[in-house]
Amino acid sequence: DTEVTQTPKHLVMGMTNKKSLKCEQHMGHRAMYWYKQKAKKPPELMFVYSYEKLSINESVPSRFSPECPNSSLLNLHLHALQPEDSALYLCASRRLAGTLETQYFGPGTRLLVL
Amino acid sequence: AQSVTQLDSQVPVFEEAPVELRCNYSSSVSVYLFWYVQYPNQGLQLLLKYLSGSTLVKGINGFEAEFNKSQTSFHLRKPSVHISDTAEYFCAVRPNTGGFKTIFGAGTRLFVKA
Repeated sequence: DTEVTQTPKHLVMGMTNKKSLKCEQHMGHRAMYWYKQKAKKPPELMFVYSYEKLSINESVPSRFSPECPNSSLLNLHLHALQPEDSALYLCASRRLAGTLETQYFGPGTRLLVL
Repeated sequence: AQSVTQLDSQVPVFEEAPVELRCNYSSSVSVYLFWYVQYPNQGLQLLLKYLSGSTLVKGINGFEAEFNKSQTSFHLRKPSVHISDTAEYFCAVRPNTGGFKTIFGAGTRLFVKA
């Protein structure tokens, strides 16, 4: 199983809403990532968790709050977002042992903030 | 620090013609190299990777790439494209000294015409 799943596929939210994005993998990967991708641009790294601990926060605004409750799950909690936060949010995971350095991406959640 | 330059933002090509998507990188340390494909409204899928060894790497869907250390290039090729190859292609690097960050190029839009 080389799959990273993300829910929901699409999300529309107002600027006062609170919502969460969910990512799941069962490959035993101990590094998990959140990326933001705007149209016609490459993915931009937001957060990295390593062994369920936050390793990298790329100066992301506090209205985005990541959480890694266990080695298979990664959440991104959203609160008081702005219209410019509308984008495709991608989750990815990677093994941390050995030389198999492949990062597997999920299909993404397309977020629209009104 | 690392950087990735994809020399063409768009490449239109006729079906069954060969194609080359160009990628150059800059890094002060040795890197792993990747090509990802992103179909419309989907996440990123790994096409191929170069970790070490033979400089000619074969990937999925008939794609291959050649690592050229002296020219710091990692160009992607396919001898005969199909309509279904229409997608965005991202070249990426990651230092092989460890770490979590993958540096993506800006992407090349391959458009295959009938």
